[in-house]
Amino acid sequence: GAVVSQHPSWVICKSGTSVKIECRSLDFQATTMFWYRQFPKQSLMLMATSNEGSKATYEQGVEKDKFLINHASLTLSTLTVTSAHPEDSSFYICSARPRDRVTDTQYFGPGTRLTVL
Amino acid sequence: AQSVTQLGSHVSVSEGALVLLRCNYSSSVPPYLFWYVQYPNQGLQLLLKYTSAATLVKGINGFEAEFKKSETSFHLTKPSAHMSDAAEYFCAVSGAGGYQKVTFGTGTKLQVIP
Repeated sequence: GAVVSQHPSWVICKSGTSVKIECRSLDFQATTMFWYRQFPKQSLMLMATSNEGSKATYEQGVEKDKFLINHASLTLSTLTVTSAHPEDSSFYICSARPRDRVTDTQYFGPGTRLTVL
Repeated sequence: AQSVTQLGSHVSVSEGALVLLRCNYSSSVPPYLFWYVQYPNQGLQLLLKYTSAATLVKGINGFEAEFKKSETSFHLTKPSAHMSDAAEYFCAVSGAGGYQKVTFGTGTKLQVIP
Protein backbone atom coordinates (compact mmCIF):
# COMPACT_ATOMS: atom_id res chain seq x y z
CA GLY A 1 0.00 0.00 0.00
CA ALA A 2 0.82 3.74 -0.01
CA VAL A 3 2.04 3.95 -3.59
CA VAL A 4 2.65 7.26 -5.31
CA SER A 5 3.16 7.47 -9.05
CA GLN A 6 4.49 10.22 -11.26
CA HIS A 7 4.02 10.75 -14.94
CA PRO A 8 6.02 11.11 -17.03
CA SER A 9 9.15 9.55 -15.60
CA TRP A 10 11.26 11.65 -17.91
CA VAL A 11 10.65 14.43 -20.38
CA ILE A 12 12.76 16.42 -22.80
CA CYS A 13 11.39 19.69 -24.10
CA LYS A 14 12.47 22.77 -25.97
CA SER A 15 13.13 26.03 -24.21
CA GLY A 16 10.00 28.15 -23.92
CA THR A 17 7.52 25.28 -23.80
CA SER A 18 5.45 24.21 -20.81
CA VAL A 19 5.59 20.82 -19.19
CA LYS A 20 3.04 19.21 -16.90
CA ILE A 21 3.99 16.57 -14.35
CA GLU A 22 1.35 14.47 -12.60
CA CYS A 23 1.54 13.04 -9.12
CA ARG A 24 -1.01 10.44 -8.06
CA SER A 25 -1.61 8.59 -4.84
CA LEU A 26 -2.78 5.20 -6.08
CA ASP A 27 -4.22 3.54 -3.00
CA PHE A 28 -4.88 6.31 -0.52
CA GLN A 29 -6.30 9.78 -0.33
CA ALA A 30 -3.93 12.65 0.23
CA THR A 31 -5.11 16.04 1.33
CA THR A 32 -1.51 17.25 1.20
CA MET A 33 1.07 16.70 -1.49
CA PHE A 34 4.53 18.15 -1.70
CA TRP A 35 6.72 19.05 -4.66
CA TYR A 36 10.49 18.90 -4.45
CA ARG A 37 13.28 19.47 -6.89
CA GLN A 38 16.66 17.86 -6.68
CA PHE A 39 19.74 19.06 -8.50
CA PRO A 40 22.50 16.55 -9.28
CA LYS A 41 24.26 15.33 -6.17
CA GLN A 42 22.21 17.58 -3.94
CA SER A 43 19.40 17.17 -1.47
CA LEU A 44 15.71 17.64 -2.00
CA MET A 45 14.49 21.20 -1.82
CA LEU A 46 10.84 21.73 -1.03
CA MET A 47 9.21 23.88 -3.68
CA ALA A 48 5.61 23.98 -2.52
CA THR A 49 2.94 22.33 -0.43
CA SER A 50 -0.23 21.49 -2.25
CA ASN A 51 -3.52 21.16 -0.41
CA GLU A 52 -6.59 19.73 -2.06
CA GLY A 53 -9.08 22.39 -2.99
CA SER A 54 -6.92 25.36 -2.08
CA LYS A 55 -3.97 27.32 -3.37
CA ALA A 56 -0.51 25.89 -3.00
CA THR A 57 1.93 27.34 -0.50
CA TYR A 58 5.25 28.12 -2.13
CA GLU A 59 8.62 28.20 -0.43
CA GLN A 60 10.64 31.37 -0.45
CA GLY A 61 12.37 31.94 -3.75
CA VAL A 62 10.07 29.69 -5.79
CA GLU A 63 8.19 31.53 -8.52
CA LYS A 64 4.54 30.61 -8.25
CA ASP A 65 3.78 31.91 -11.73
CA LYS A 66 6.44 29.69 -13.21
CA PHE A 67 5.67 26.54 -11.26
CA LEU A 68 1.91 26.17 -11.34
CA ILE A 69 0.47 23.64 -8.94
CA ASN A 70 -3.04 22.26 -9.04
CA HIS A 71 -4.43 19.82 -6.50
CA ALA A 72 -7.77 19.06 -8.05
CA SER A 73 -8.62 15.90 -6.17
CA LEU A 74 -7.56 13.84 -3.19
CA THR A 75 -5.43 11.64 -5.40
CA LEU A 76 -3.95 13.99 -7.99
CA SER A 77 -1.66 17.00 -7.96
CA THR A 78 -0.02 18.49 -11.02
CA LEU A 79 3.04 20.67 -11.43
CA THR A 80 3.31 22.71 -14.61
CA VAL A 81 6.64 24.27 -15.45
CA THR A 82 5.72 27.21 -17.65
CA SER A 83 8.06 28.60 -20.29
CA ALA A 84 10.75 26.17 -19.28
CA HIS A 85 14.41 27.11 -19.62
CA PRO A 86 17.57 25.02 -19.36
CA GLU A 87 18.07 26.10 -15.74
CA ASP A 88 14.76 24.38 -14.91
CA SER A 89 16.30 21.05 -15.83
CA SER A 90 16.15 18.98 -12.69
CA PHE A 91 14.70 15.93 -11.00
CA TYR A 92 11.22 16.71 -9.69
CA ILE A 93 9.83 14.51 -6.94
CA CYS A 94 6.42 14.61 -5.37
CA SER A 95 5.26 13.12 -2.11
CA ALA A 96 1.88 12.59 -0.54
CA ARG A 97 0.73 12.39 3.03
CA PRO A 98 -2.28 10.15 3.74
CA ARG A 99 -5.23 12.10 5.09
CA ASP A 100 -5.76 9.74 8.00
CA ARG A 101 -2.20 9.83 9.34
CA VAL A 102 -1.24 12.11 12.17
CA THR A 103 2.47 11.27 11.94
CA ASP A 104 4.61 12.78 9.25
CA THR A 105 4.89 9.87 6.91
CA GLN A 106 5.27 11.04 3.36
CA TYR A 107 5.26 8.61 0.49
CA PHE A 108 7.42 9.62 -2.39
CA GLY A 109 6.90 9.21 -6.08
CA PRO A 110 9.65 7.85 -8.33
CA GLY A 111 10.49 11.29 -9.69
CA THR A 112 10.42 12.98 -13.09
CA ARG A 113 13.61 13.91 -14.89
CA LEU A 114 13.09 17.15 -16.83
CA THR A 115 15.63 18.19 -19.43
CA VAL A 116 15.11 21.51 -21.17
CA LEU A 117 17.12 21.99 -24.35
CA ALA B 1 12.89 25.90 12.67
CA GLN B 2 14.54 22.56 12.07
CA SER B 3 17.67 21.42 10.30
CA VAL B 4 19.81 18.33 9.95
CA THR B 5 23.50 17.93 9.33
CA GLN B 6 24.82 14.78 7.77
CA LEU B 7 28.51 14.27 8.44
CA GLY B 8 30.29 12.91 5.42
CA SER B 9 28.95 13.25 1.92
CA HIS B 10 30.59 9.94 0.98
CA VAL B 11 31.13 6.85 3.10
CA SER B 12 32.86 3.68 1.92
CA VAL B 13 32.64 0.38 3.73
CA SER B 14 33.63 -3.15 2.87
CA GLU B 15 30.97 -5.74 2.28
CA GLY B 16 30.11 -7.30 5.64
CA ALA B 17 31.41 -4.36 7.66
CA LEU B 18 29.45 -2.08 9.94
CA VAL B 19 27.60 0.80 8.32
CA LEU B 20 27.42 4.04 10.29
CA LEU B 21 25.89 7.15 8.76
CA ARG B 22 25.83 10.19 10.99
CA CYS B 23 23.04 12.70 11.40
CA ASN B 24 22.70 15.53 13.88
CA TYR B 25 19.55 17.59 14.13
CA SER B 26 18.49 20.96 15.37
CA SER B 27 14.92 21.63 16.34
CA SER B 28 13.12 24.19 18.47
CA VAL B 29 10.31 21.71 19.12
CA PRO B 30 10.23 17.97 19.81
CA PRO B 31 11.29 16.45 16.49
CA TYR B 32 10.25 13.63 14.29
CA LEU B 33 13.26 12.14 12.53
CA PHE B 34 13.53 10.06 9.40
CA TRP B 35 16.02 8.19 7.27
CA TYR B 36 15.32 7.75 3.57
CA VAL B 37 17.24 5.86 0.90
CA GLN B 38 17.42 6.87 -2.75
CA TYR B 39 18.68 4.68 -5.57
CA PRO B 40 19.84 6.34 -8.82
CA ASN B 41 17.07 8.09 -10.72
CA GLN B 42 14.45 6.98 -8.24
CA GLY B 43 12.34 8.57 -5.54
CA LEU B 44 12.90 8.21 -1.83
CA GLN B 45 12.03 5.17 0.23
CA LEU B 46 11.47 5.46 3.96
CA LEU B 47 13.92 3.32 5.94
CA LEU B 48 12.73 4.21 9.42
CA LYS B 49 11.30 7.01 11.50
CA TYR B 50 11.35 8.24 15.08
CA THR B 51 8.12 9.74 16.37
CA SER B 52 8.75 10.06 20.12
CA ALA B 53 8.15 6.44 21.03
CA ALA B 54 11.09 4.05 21.44
CA THR B 55 14.46 5.73 21.04
CA LEU B 56 15.92 2.75 19.18
CA VAL B 57 14.10 2.46 15.91
CA LYS B 58 14.34 -0.54 13.64
CA GLY B 59 13.69 -0.16 9.97
CA ILE B 60 13.72 -2.12 6.78
CA ASN B 61 16.68 -3.99 5.28
CA GLY B 62 18.34 -4.47 8.68
CA PHE B 63 18.89 -0.78 9.39
CA GLU B 64 18.31 0.86 12.74
CA ALA B 65 18.82 4.26 14.30
CA GLU B 66 18.97 5.56 17.83
CA PHE B 67 17.55 8.89 18.93
CA LYS B 68 19.87 10.55 21.44
CA LYS B 69 18.42 13.77 22.70
CA SER B 70 21.50 14.68 24.74
CA GLU B 71 23.65 14.46 21.62
CA THR B 72 20.95 15.70 19.20
CA SER B 73 21.85 12.76 17.03
CA PHE B 74 20.03 10.14 14.99
CA HIS B 75 22.76 8.00 13.45
CA LEU B 76 21.88 5.17 11.09
CA THR B 77 23.56 1.80 11.49
CA LYS B 78 23.58 -1.65 9.96
CA PRO B 79 25.74 -4.45 11.38
CA SER B 80 26.80 -5.92 8.05
CA ALA B 81 26.84 -4.06 4.75
CA HIS B 82 25.53 -5.68 1.61
CA MET B 83 26.30 -4.66 -1.94
CA SER B 84 22.65 -3.74 -2.43
CA ASP B 85 22.98 -1.10 0.32
CA ALA B 86 24.97 1.14 -2.01
CA ALA B 87 22.77 4.22 -2.44
CA GLU B 88 22.23 7.77 -1.24
CA TYR B 89 20.87 8.17 2.27
CA PHE B 90 19.02 11.22 3.53
CA CYS B 91 18.30 12.17 7.12
CA ALA B 92 15.26 14.39 7.64
CA VAL B 93 13.51 16.21 10.45
CA SER B 94 10.11 17.72 11.05
CA GLY B 95 8.19 19.09 13.96
CA ALA B 96 6.21 16.59 15.96
CA GLY B 97 2.61 16.06 14.99
CA GLY B 98 0.82 16.08 11.71
CA TYR B 99 1.30 18.25 8.67
CA GLN B 100 4.70 19.65 9.53
CA LYS B 101 7.22 20.47 6.81
CA VAL B 102 10.05 17.98 6.46
CA THR B 103 13.59 19.29 6.04
CA PHE B 104 16.19 17.06 4.43
CA GLY B 105 19.91 16.82 4.99
CA THR B 106 22.38 17.00 2.13
CA GLY B 107 22.70 13.25 1.85
CA THR B 108 25.42 10.66 2.29
CA LYS B 109 26.42 8.43 -0.57
CA LEU B 110 27.25 4.95 0.66
CA GLN B 111 29.70 2.88 -1.34
CA VAL B 112 30.08 -0.81 -0.55
CA ILE B 113 33.35 -2.36 -1.60
CA PRO B 114 33.33 -6.07 -2.41
